[in-house]
Amino acid sequence: DVKVTQSSRYLVKRTGEKVFLECVQDMDHENMFWYRQDPGLGLRLIYFSYDVKMKEKGDIPEGYSVSREKKERFSLILESASTNQTSMYLCASTPGQGVIGQPQHFGDGTRLSIL
Amino acid sequence: SQQGEEDPQALSIQEGENATMNCSYKTSINNLQWYRQNSGRGLVHLILIRSNEREKHSGRLRVTLDTSKKSSSLLITASRAADTASYFCATSRDDKIIFGKGTRLHILP
Repeated sequence: DVKVTQSSRYLVKRTGEKVFLECVQDMDHENMFWYRQDPGLGLRLIYFSYDVKMKEKGDIPEGYSVSREKKERFSLILESASTNQTSMYLCASTPGQGVIGQPQHFGDGTRLSIL
Repeated sequence: SQQGEEDPQALSIQEGENATMNCSYKTSINNLQWYRQNSGRGLVHLILIRSNEREKHSGRLRVTLDTSKKSSSLLITASRAADTASYFCATSRDDKIIFGKGTRLHILP
């Protein structure tokens, strides 16, 4: 079974801090995704990557950046955390470079609170 | 937007009954997927139906797709307490996948 592991289930940070959310998958998947999930808004795509060192903006990239130095690891960075970035963050992966419509394998999420 | 919209937003049924959730979308798609999310957890893929398919089954799940009406339904038969979760449809087209806002299903004992 594919395992997508997010480094923290819960995280509390302060406004203005630089925050790193880490995601690791163990199935050699080419594509990795970061979403945020908010009540009433569903899942919204922040960034995705279809290869090492490649990244593509999703629907809401503002205030975020990503890093993919190794195939199995995709990091989401909040450059200067703000309270409106309090949310549930979900990482996902799929096989097949650039093939977006495959079933996505999700991690258990990181619930991030910015105080 | 091709975003899928689930209906109803919330559903409560007795254990053993069937649960039906619907998803509508606006543009043509390559495939449509259904996911389940238990409280506080990530999404789990349930079933994928391609645009040229009309019906698919997986265990107690039955998914239909009507591309002329741009809609899909997910039927869970003989519901169990463990089916309590949120269910999301996701539409895929070219290089984009978009998730709906979900249906919260509660199975009453």
